[in-house]
Amino acid sequence: EAGVVQSPRYKIIEKKQPVAFWCNPISGHNTLYWYRQNLGQGPELLIRYENEEAVDDSQLPKDRFSAERLKGVDSTLKIQPAELGDSAVYLCASSPLGVQGNHEQYFGPGTRLTVT
Amino acid sequence: AQSVAQPEDQVNVAEGNPLTVKCTYSVSGNPYLFWYVQYPNRGLQFLLKYITGDNLVKGSYGFEAEFNKSQTSFHLKKPSALVSDSALYFCAVRDGTGGFKTIFGAGTRLFVKA
Repeated sequence: EAGVVQSPRYKIIEKKQPVAFWCNPISGHNTLYWYRQNLGQGPELLIRYENEEAVDDSQLPKDRFSAERLKGVDSTLKIQPAELGDSAVYLCASSPLGVQGNHEQYFGPGTRLTVT
Repeated sequence: AQSVAQPEDQVNVAEGNPLTVKCTYSVSGNPYLFWYVQYPNRGLQFLLKYITGDNLVKGSYGFEAEFNKSQTSFHLKKPSALVSDSALYFCAVRDGTGGFKTIFGAGTRLFVKA
């Protein structure tokens, strides 16, 4: 079974430029998460989808970040314009829907973003 | 509000010795607790979880963790460490009665010396 796929693995951009990350979750997983992981810290949730619906985007900086999950499968996270402080690893994860969220999450390898 | 604390930034242990990576948590409802491991340049991998039932849960690669409700702890343990266990370990908590948001600790780096 293929795991969570993310691309690109690495991205270097100048500040004020746009950037997009793509995620393909494990087949059949209804729930998809985007996290940001800063150096030396644990992942922090940006947005969670159940199928195509964003059910928790309270931590997403909506002035510059956007996300979509068309057809409830693949997802794209976009930053426009990027700032120096956006440099981090962006992780995508998926899980079955489950009862009260008792399932573990399966993570992709992440995209390391460097903003110069 | 939920929170997770991993009080040690780094744990050093000799190969063959037992290891413990500490985690304490705070949730208002029933805790769902998870341990994940992160190897360099790779995403997090699930190790084990506590949802309900026995306080001692067993997971991948010989790891186990003990849920202690009175001490609000969920320490990760392994009887005999391997050099290949060297990695970054994250504890995570979810409020099982209040939603799906998972809070991760800051991580503990484990070094196992040969």
